[in-house]
Amino acid sequence: DIQMTQSPSTLSASVGDRVTITCRASRNISPWLAWYQQKPGKAPKLLIYKTSSLESGVPSRFSGSGSGTEFTLTISSLQPDDFATYYCQQYNSYWTFGQGTKVEIK
Amino acid sequence: QVQLVESGGGVVQPGRSLRLSCGASTFSFSNYAMHWVRQAPGKGLEWLAVISYDGTIQNYAESVKGRFTISRDNSKNSLNLQMSSLRADDTALYFCARAPRTVVTQGPFNIWGQGTMVTVSS
Repeated sequence: DIQMTQSPSTLSASVGDRVTITCRASRNISPWLAWYQQKPGKAPKLLIYKTSSLESGVPSRFSGSGSGTEFTLTISSLQPDDFATYYCQQYNSYWTFGQGTKVEIK
Repeated sequence: QVQLVESGGGVVQPGRSLRLSCGASTFSFSNYAMHWVRQAPGKGLEWLAVISYDGTIQNYAESVKGRFTISRDNSKNSLNLQMSSLRADDTALYFCARAPRTVVTQGPFNIWGQGTMVTVSS
């Protein structure tokens, strides 16, 4: 099984900050990596797929990068609507989620 | 608007069974692979099972293999999850989710339902 490890688990930031979340896979999964945003009581929302492709309707301040076993989600300028929990997911071999990163208000 | 709606959750005693359903609307359900994902209270997301667009292939996470069965009825635009031998650690919000491309099983999940809560407790 492929394990996914996100860091940090919690991130405190302010509106306008540049935010980066890292996801590491236990083996090469490139390029089959997605990112989701989840707000309390809601279903996850797909943001990024295939490492760096932006899902339709997702603001361009979200971007993804990486290769092999290390990947990042970057929010270029954090907006009030972005405070949420973010999950990475590999779909190279079955499907595995990272444990999540909560982005909270500083 | 593409929509998935789960149902069937509730409170069930340990060791008993429960069947969840997911109804699909406004897309060609029979063309897409479908998944079940769960989220225990305050915890992260756990993929559980996938079924191919035509129902011929199913795969499961180790945590539910042998206890849970995924199935679909394309004539009714319906996805199911039969859960047996339920345990306290199966308590979670259960989501159904759709693959983004027709026929292909590999891929992220671009459409999600709102979830149905299952509580396993005596």
